[in-house]
Amino acid sequence: SAVISQKPSRDICQRGTSLTIQCQVDSQVTMMFWYRQQPGQSLTLIATANQGSEATYESGFVIDKFPISRPNLTFSTLTVSNMSPEDSSIYLCSVGDREEQYFGPGTRLTVT
Amino acid sequence: RKEVEQDPGPFNVPEGATVAFNCTYSNSASQSFFWYRQDCRKEPKLLMSVYSSGNEDGRFTAQLNRASQYISLLIRDSKLSDSATYLCVVNRYYKLSFGAGTTVTVRA
Repeated sequence: SAVISQKPSRDICQRGTSLTIQCQVDSQVTMMFWYRQQPGQSLTLIATANQGSEATYESGFVIDKFPISRPNLTFSTLTVSNMSPEDSSIYLCSVGDREEQYFGPGTRLTVT
Repeated sequence: RKEVEQDPGPFNVPEGATVAFNCTYSNSASQSFFWYRQDCRKEPKLLMSVYSSGNEDGRFTAQLNRASQYISLLIRDSKLSDSATYLCVVNRYYKLSFGAGTTVTVRA
């Protein structure tokens, strides 16, 4: 299994600002994923981040709003840009394969 | 239509009871299937994979019906610690699609 840490664990931000969330894994992994969990809802995949290539975004998510970096096989960042209250969510990174994925503890973001 | 539709519950059951719930998925090309458990304010964690032959893990039994695109989870002899939200998850090309979750509360 993989051990995943995320920073920050929570933040309260003002609308119009940006926040960068970091995800660190204790082993090298090929695929990393970023999810959003809005209040009272289930998880939605934002994008897949592979090292050495552009992230692949799901329908409804765009790079300008959620830029992602993947500089190496153990680390990724997700930026939530120009935030609005609708971006208030938990953001989770995960790693894994077809058989199992492991999730980080999440970043709880509140936009005021 | 959502890719994964799940019985929302909530299910409120006494200790020792059996509880079962289901989900359906829309994409017949889905490749693998799971139940994840999510405790309040925590990240999801894999409970078990689901196979067509049916599989058990202690008190938990999962079943997959590919023809009907239907997945089930049964919990026997419920414990207080089973109280959680259970997420039906479908994997297609390494991308997970989550159901909205079934909330189970086991009472003493």
